[in-house]
Amino acid sequence: SQTIHQWPATLVQPVGSPLSLECTVEGTSNPNLYWYRQAAGRGLQLLFYSVGIGQISSEVPQNLSASRPQDRQFILSSKKLLLSDSGFYLCAWSSGTNRPEQFFGPGTRLTVL
Amino acid sequence: GDSVTQMEGPVTLSEEAFLTINCTYTATGYPSLFWYVQYPGEGLQLLLKATKADDKGSNKGFEATYRKETTSFHLEKGSVQVSDSAVYFCALSLPDGQNFVFGPGTRLSVLP
Repeated sequence: SQTIHQWPATLVQPVGSPLSLECTVEGTSNPNLYWYRQAAGRGLQLLFYSVGIGQISSEVPQNLSASRPQDRQFILSSKKLLLSDSGFYLCAWSSGTNRPEQFFGPGTRLTVL
Repeated sequence: GDSVTQMEGPVTLSEEAFLTINCTYTATGYPSLFWYVQYPGEGLQLLLKATKADDKGSNKGFEATYRKETTSFHLEKGSVQVSDSAVYFCALSLPDGQNFVFGPGTRLSVLP
């Protein structure tokens, strides 16, 4: 069966510090991968998605970036965090057209102070 | 563009009450439709899905029917429990398999 992991689970960082969040998927190959952000009490905002190694599409301009160094690894980064980067970050995967649903990781709660 | 609209709530019900959360969509082509549930502090879990018109998705007592003529996918449950308190998201997936659109979520609180 497939599983998706995210770490860390929680993170408190000062403004201006760097960020690295990691997501890995097990039990599948060549998944589509997604990063979402969820502000407190709000809906989901798609940040990035990837259909393959090194292929990243950005949905919104921001100070965040994403990378996919391996088939089942997706990393969200920032060089300098802003207060507005606080939120709940969710990674998800899907297998594409044959099985369109997305499956989500447990999330990372980021607080920027 | 493609979009999902759902009642934002919050919806507050007593235990054993009937639940309906409305969801309508706008999409080009023939999307697949989903309901996800998010419990506090957790990621989203797939609750049910329907991939073509008139399909009914069901799970854990929840049901939703893909209505192409009304572009709707309303979530229903006959008797809610306190443990159903969560945020519910309606979503669609376009046939290209890459684009996924979520509604804003509906917070449900069930009181004992």
